[in-house]
This record gives sequence, structure tokens and C-alpha cells, in this order.
Amino acid sequence: DQQVKQNSPSLSVQEGRISILNCDYTNSMFDYFLWYKKYPAEGPTFLISISSIKDKNEDGRFTVFLNKSAKHLSLHIVPSQPGDSAVYFCAASVKYGNKLVFGAGTILRVKS
Amino acid sequence: GAVVSQHPSWVICKSGTSVKIECRSLDFQATTMFWYRQFPKQSLMLMATSNEGSKATYEQGVEKDKFLINHASLTLSTLTVTSAHPEDRSFYICSARDPDNYGYTFGSGTRLTVV
Repeated sequence: DQQVKQNSPSLSVQEGRISILNCDYTNSMFDYFLWYKKYPAEGPTFLISISSIKDKNEDGRFTVFLNKSAKHLSLHIVPSQPGDSAVYFCAASVKYGNKLVFGAGTILRVKS
Repeated sequence: GAVVSQHPSWVICKSGTSVKIECRSLDFQATTMFWYRQFPKQSLMLMATSNEGSKATYEQGVEKDKFLINHASLTLSTLTVTSAHPEDRSFYICSARDPDNYGYTFGSGTRLTVV
């Protein structure tokens, strides 16, 4: 049972434009969500998180939106840069500090 | 920010031998650490939750006698893959809750190859 889903295996975006990565979840108990960036043979790097009491969190070029009724969250990267090219994982937990459940990941390619 | 150091970054072992992977929180104390494995082009799958001073909690389907976890101090957790076989080849990653922000910091991962 895949509780966290990233249905787009890959996304290609032109440099300077917006990248939108999507994530859906099925477990209504999840109340903490995170996005990670990962390069091959490296550990994931934390990007941004959001708790269920919010619907938006912004940090520089990265913004995460949470739609609890739809059980959907998205990561917006504006403007996209070639260095943003990586695999992006969505993750969720029931309460902060508990184990994370990861989505399958989306490969983002930013073309210059 | 918080740093988690994982060692070794890669290891090659003979089939039937055991391999130990270390995960250290360098500048913070971690009562809980998590161990994941990732197969090529797949997601990170949680194997177990490592609890300082007590037994680890394993996810369903993960053999606790195969993957021994020890969390003897607040800054060190180890994963030992016992009697490794080719099907254990994977990328193993540890993580700990980052006290500085609302995230989890990950180690750099360990690539295990069994020959």
C-alpha cells in the first residue's frame, strides 16, 4: 500500500521557469510533510517542510503548498536553475519526529 | 545545521561475511535514528527505527537477525548486515531528526556490493 505517491516519474523545465512537483497521500493521519532533493549515491538533502496546520510555507525559491482536503501537496521552485536538476522526494510522517514515508521520487531536469 | 556522518560510503564484501555501517550525529544528540535502503531507481524504504538504549523497531518484512541495529550512545547507531548475499546489494542510508529545523538530516549513504 503506497501511502505517499508521486505520480510523475520525471519533469523537464526550462531554466528561469517554474517547476511544480506534485505529491498525493492516502493516510489522513499524516500531519507533517517534507521535500527532499537527492543526487545519485548521496543521502537526501532537506529542502522544506510543512505541518498540517498550514497550507503554505515559503523559503527562498521554494514554496510548498498543502491541500488537506485533497490530500495533496506540491513544491514550487521559482525560478528554476540547472543546479536544481535532481530527484525530488516527498515524505510524510504522523507527527514530527516519527518515521518518514517516502514517495517514489520525481526526476527534475532543468534545461539551460 | 545538523550533520549526520555515515561510514563507509561504499563497501565490497564477500558473500557470507558481515558488514557494519556507522551513523553518527556530529553536533547534536539523536535519541532516534532511522535506517533506510534504496534499490536502483526506487524510493527510500524504511528498514528500522533505532532507539538509543533500547531495541530497534523493525518494519514489516525486515529480518531483525539479518540486519542488526545497535544504538549504544546518543550520537552513534550501527547497522550490521549479517551473512551478506547478493540480494543485500543496495544503498543504505541513515537519518536523524534535526533539532535545528523541522526536518530530518540524512547521512551520505553506503553503497553495499556483495561478490
